[in-house]
Amino acid sequence: GAVVSQHPSRVICKSGTSVKIECRSLDFQATTMFWYRQFPKQSLMLMATSNEGSKATYEQGVEKDKFLINHASLTLSTLTVTSAHPEDSSFYICSARDYGPSGNTIYFGEGSWLTVV
Amino acid sequence: AQRVTQPEKLLSVFKGAPVELKCNYSYSGSPELFWYVQYSRQRLQLLLRHISRESIKGFTADLNKGETSFHLKKPFAQEEDSAMYYCALAPSGNTGKLIFGQGTTLQVKP
Repeated sequence: GAVVSQHPSRVICKSGTSVKIECRSLDFQATTMFWYRQFPKQSLMLMATSNEGSKATYEQGVEKDKFLINHASLTLSTLTVTSAHPEDSSFYICSARDYGPSGNTIYFGEGSWLTVV
Repeated sequence: AQRVTQPEKLLSVFKGAPVELKCNYSYSGSPELFWYVQYSRQRLQLLLRHISRESIKGFTADLNKGETSFHLKKPFAQEEDSAMYYCALAPSGNTGKLIFGQGTTLQVKP
């Protein structure tokens, strides 16, 4: 089945630095991808919708200058956490919808753990 | 407001017992409802969607528009069902965006 892959699965960065997380759709094209944030033992909160070839759409309360999203191709979206702080430490998950022959299904990446020290 | 509510953070049952994970939603239009499961250290996986009305791994869920509920049920729980379960709502428009409930941890004891 269709797979969405994230990289890196774990990253540790120093406070004040920036870190990039990639989300790829491996066997289907995705004009739209979604970025979620999940705190331990809590739900997934939608951060933004990544739109191929145009600006991302951010949910209320999410700082667009803090969480930069780029969707430069039909199979890749990146989330860059800029000037990271310890409170940005979290589990980040992306998803994409496959409208192809296999069915209209939303697939999730395996997630990326970010720890800011 | 668009909201999904799962009132139980933890549901603990014995193997073979019936299970019902509750989900209520708030949405003014016609949403698409899903149940996702997250096993330990694995990614989120689709379990059920209301439009397909299928049974996966013995789980079923019926959309009750009158009660705005989409409860997940299984008549006989198995130990391998232990996982985190999320109810999710996709607003009309079919974009792929999902609004998640808080999640319920199902613990099936031997």
